[in-house]
Amino acid sequence: DIQMTQSPSTLSASVGDRVTITCRASQSIGTWLAWYQQKPGKAPKLLLYKASSLESGVPSRFSGSGSGTEFTLTISSLQPDDFATYYCQQYNSYCTFGQGTKVEIK
Amino acid sequence: EVQLVESGGGLVQPGRSLRLSCTASGFTFGDYSMTWVRQAPGKGLQWVGFIRSKAYGGTTEYAASVKGRFTIARDDSQRIAYLQMNSLKTDDTAVYSCTRAGDGYNLAAFDIWGQGTMVTVSS
Repeated sequence: DIQMTQSPSTLSASVGDRVTITCRASQSIGTWLAWYQQKPGKAPKLLLYKASSLESGVPSRFSGSGSGTEFTLTISSLQPDDFATYYCQQYNSYCTFGQGTKVEIK
Repeated sequence: EVQLVESGGGLVQPGRSLRLSCTASGFTFGDYSMTWVRQAPGKGLQWVGFIRSKAYGGTTEYAASVKGRFTIARDDSQRIAYLQMNSLKTDDTAVYSCTRAGDGYNLAAFDIWGQGTMVTVSS
């Protein structure tokens, strides 16, 4: 099974900050990686797919990069609505999620 | 409106069975793979399994933790995906959500999610 490891687990940031979350796969997954945002009590929301493709309706301050085993999610200027938990997901070989990164207010 | 609505959750004793349903609307259900994902209280997301569309045989794949105990099925005429859960364990306690997962043989990113239904396994 492919393991996905996110870092950090928790991130404290302020509105306007540039935020980067890293996701590492235990083996190469090409660009079969997605990023989700989840708020408490809500379903996850797809942000990016194929590592860097922005889902329709998602603000352009969200971007993704990487291939193989190393991936990043970047929020260029953190907004109040962005405080949430973020998950990476590989779908190269079935599906595995990272453990999540909670972005909290500093 | 594209929507997924889960139902069937509740309190069940260890060792018993439960069947969840996921009713779809707003898209051509039969064209898509459907998955189930669960989230234990305060924990992260865990993939449970998925069922391909009939175009790819309607075949299923499961996570190791549920293989042999859980079964996913679909009724395209009713636009419903099912998760049959047998031999339930306390560790299966979670919110179970269904998602849409692409129209190919392999999984795609999960673009549509239901709100989930809570399953509590306890004596």
